Amino acid sequence: EAEVAQSPRYKITEKSQAVAFWCDPISGHATLYWYRQILGQGPELLVQFQDESVVDDSQLPKDRFSAERLKGVDSTLKIQPAELGDSAMYLCASSLATREWSYEQYFGPGTRLTVT
Amino acid sequence: AQSVTQLGSHVSVSEGALVLLRCNYSSSVPPYLFWYVQYPNQGLQLLLKYTSAATLVKGINGFEAEFKKSETSFHLTKPSAHMSDAAEYFCAVTPFGNEKLTFGTGTRLTIIP
Repeated sequence: EAEVAQSPRYKITEKSQAVAFWCDPISGHATLYWYRQILGQGPELLVQFQDESVVDDSQLPKDRFSAERLKGVDSTLKIQPAELGDSAMYLCASSLATREWSYEQYFGPGTRLTVT
Repeated sequence: AQSVTQLGSHVSVSEGALVLLRCNYSSSVPPYLFWYVQYPNQGLQLLLKYTSAATLVKGINGFEAEFKKSETSFHLTKPSAHMSDAAEYFCAVTPFGNEKLTFGTGTRLTIIP
């Protein structure tokens, strides 16, 4: 069964350092999402791609976060500089969904970030 | 705007007892509704989804949920709890198409042997 791949699974970094996460969606899924899940809360969307274009990045802290999906396949989320409050689970999801049709989102295993 | 309220951040049931996890939604348009399960340090796995077809939706692992428009609810049930059901459960809503999911705050289910 096809799965969303994420790496690394766990990352510990010091405050003010740069960190990057990678996501490879299910083959053929045009829509890719990055969510952040703070401990004890539900995931919240950071950024959404349709192919290589950003559809929604309204909740992305653009002064320190960036995301790209250059060829419309895999994606990278970067934080620079990391802050203590960035400690969370970062989840990637992909979907066949388009603006007209809704399909379920499939989630990867996540990257657990700890900022010290 | 869409929102989801999950009543009860922690629910404990005995093994073999009925599981009932509550979810109420708010949506300005007919919603798509989902239940996801999350085990510790893992991603989210889809349990079931409502997409305007049958109001009673059956999912994996014996779970089902009923969409009640009049009550704006989408509660998750399972007739007989199993130890392996212990996890965090999230209800989520999206208005249509490829819009983002809006999640509730989750309900941690504990199974008592």
